[in-house]
Amino acid sequence: SQELEQSPQSLIVQEGKNLTINCTSSKTLYGLYWYKQKYGEGLIFLMMLQKGGEEKSHEKITAKLDEKKQQSSLHITASQPSHAGIYLCGAHSGNTPLVFGKGTRLSVIA
Amino acid sequence: GAGVSQTPSNKVTEKGKYVELRCDPISGHTALYWYRQSLGQGPEFLIYFQGTGAADDSGLPNDRFFAVRPEGSVSTLKIQRTERGDSAVYLCASSWTSGLTDTQYFGPGTRLTVL
Repeated sequence: SQELEQSPQSLIVQEGKNLTINCTSSKTLYGLYWYKQKYGEGLIFLMMLQKGGEEKSHEKITAKLDEKKQQSSLHITASQPSHAGIYLCGAHSGNTPLVFGKGTRLSVIA
Repeated sequence: GAGVSQTPSNKVTEKGKYVELRCDPISGHTALYWYRQSLGQGPEFLIYFQGTGAADDSGLPNDRFFAVRPEGSVSTLKIQRTERGDSAVYLCASSWTSGLTDTQYFGPGTRLTVL
């Protein structure tokens, strides 16, 4: 079965700094989703990447998909306290249910 | 419009009891998913419905777990003879269809605690 490994597991950055979170799949990726989760809340959809080399941006968050490496990266520019939370990547492997990584816990300190 | 809603937000029960968790999907979404999330883990797939039928229930851990979606909208996850290991956050999601490119939108979850 497909497994998604996220790194780092947790991250503490100073406000205003840039950061990158990685998600690596054990199998071929057929679409990669990024979600954000805050304590006591559900997952908030950020972006979906489908094709190798695809890159999407929303406000200060950019996600890229490297199909050959079976990997996606999420980059946050000039981090703010509102970016704090748990970032989760999810993916399908063929026609299978969505599988998620364990998440990366991001803290942003003033 | 309204997002996915789940009730109750918290449920505390005793070992051996029966519980029902409810999910109200986004209006018009034909696919509905249930996941379970333990502390420090990502969500784990349990079951999904396309319309009224369970299209894939391969994630249900055992026969104590059952889910229904009788009218193709609201779904109920039922857990019989609850065990302490069932304690987790149960998440529901819905999407327009069950296609691989259809984004799943999640509810806030139900935190189940089995004492």
